[in-house]
Amino acid sequence: QSALTQPASVSGSPGQSITISCTGTSSDVGGYNYVSWYQQHPGKAPKLMIYDVNNRPSGVSNRFSGFKSGNTASLTISGLQAEDEADYYCSSYASSSTLVFGGGTKLTVL
Amino acid sequence: EVQLVESGGVVIQPGGSLRLSCAASGFTFGEYTMHWVRHAPGKTLEWVSLISWDGGVTKYADSVKGRFTISRDNSKNSLYLEMNSLRTEDTAFYFCAKARIPVSGTSIDYWGQGTLVTVSS
Repeated sequence: QSALTQPASVSGSPGQSITISCTGTSSDVGGYNYVSWYQQHPGKAPKLMIYDVNNRPSGVSNRFSGFKSGNTASLTISGLQAEDEADYYCSSYASSSTLVFGGGTKLTVL
Repeated sequence: EVQLVESGGVVIQPGGSLRLSCAASGFTFGEYTMHWVRHAPGKTLEWVSLISWDGGVTKYADSVKGRFTISRDNSKNSLYLEMNSLRTEDTAFYFCAKARIPVSGTSIDYWGQGTLVTVSS
């Protein structure tokens, strides 16, 4: 049950695009198309942004997109806005029928 | 509207026991797998446990196995986490979370606001 690997921080200017990676193993990210991405603002509950690798829940901006190749998934945010500044976590279903989360990435909008 | 409201978080001494509760509304609780996830200050999210829609299947993170017990009462739309032999490293916000699709536990869509458990002497 090792955590998925994410970069500790990323940054970008308003209007730019950024990508956050999430690396796991064939027992989690690589083995299933059940990767989710969550946005968490300080003191708030996480919010689902992407599910099943590349699907957006109703109400989530189409500026958010997901992708997966092998054992690595990624979240891309295009047209960065100030309100996108938050922590982002990936998660994946795992072979033990459990969930595993990434270490989290702090997004700073410059 | 889906609502998940956790309660039961307190300051407790190492070795103590505690029961967290989560009151669910806005969806058919008895059809969904439910999870507990925790977030220690300054650390990452950590999946803790899940229970299937009917309570027949439970899973635990290695870090809590043998000490924590998840349960549910579908007649009361409630989820519980019994925590025993608490350690300082169990200090965290504990979130109740709902599986995204019925019966399956493959992902989470809604989270509660969390309840803080502090284990300290």
